[in-house]
Amino acid sequence: DSGVTQTPKHLITATGQRVTLRCSPRSGDLSVYWYQQSLDQGLQFLIQYYNGEERAKGNILERFSAQQFPDLHSELNLSSLELGDSALYFCASSGGGQGAIGELFFGEGSRLTVL
Amino acid sequence: DAKTTQPPSMDCAEGRAANLPCNHSTISGNEYVYWYRQIHSQGPQYIIHGLKNNETNEMASLIITEDRKSSTLILPHATLRDTAVYYCIVRRAGGTSYGKLTFGQGTILTVHP
Repeated sequence: DSGVTQTPKHLITATGQRVTLRCSPRSGDLSVYWYQQSLDQGLQFLIQYYNGEERAKGNILERFSAQQFPDLHSELNLSSLELGDSALYFCASSGGGQGAIGELFFGEGSRLTVL
Repeated sequence: DAKTTQPPSMDCAEGRAANLPCNHSTISGNEYVYWYRQIHSQGPQYIIHGLKNNETNEMASLIITEDRKSSTLILPHATLRDTAVYYCIVRRAGGTSYGKLTFGQGTILTVHP
């Protein structure tokens, strides 16, 4: 158990819909990261937040957005869903922000299926 | 971040050492080598990281060549539960994009009874 909690574990929805994935980081961790894993793209970094502020962005689509709340939990919002958005979405956390070199702790993921 | 090259797959007998190689010939002086693994669609799990010295922890050992252009992850006594995809990642410490790990295709390690 990494200490990172993601909900829901599984989600099935239709094209054009909007969903929200939630992540609770390990206790005390200030940084939250979102990753997407699809069959054809592998594991890809989407976005990072540190203590409520966006710190780094990857190839995140404009239809996707995220935020980190004062209690440090984070949400990833996916809208106007397409079939290609079907993937595993992982959240990870770490204690450090800039300058850290340690490990990331990943949650078990949220599996999104768009029909 | 430097690009890494790993063999797509490897096999290992249970109880034997598993040696997973990684080439990172364009690594810079301030870049670390990290290893993560992913067991069947679970979240990736950190294994070990190093800069230039060999490192060992309860899970594995990391051997980095003197010129730092390649490294080897060693699982000393592989078990069936070590069957997973192993990712070698080179990452610069610090900066605003810490945690922006670039996962390649990794090596699928299959441990056989």
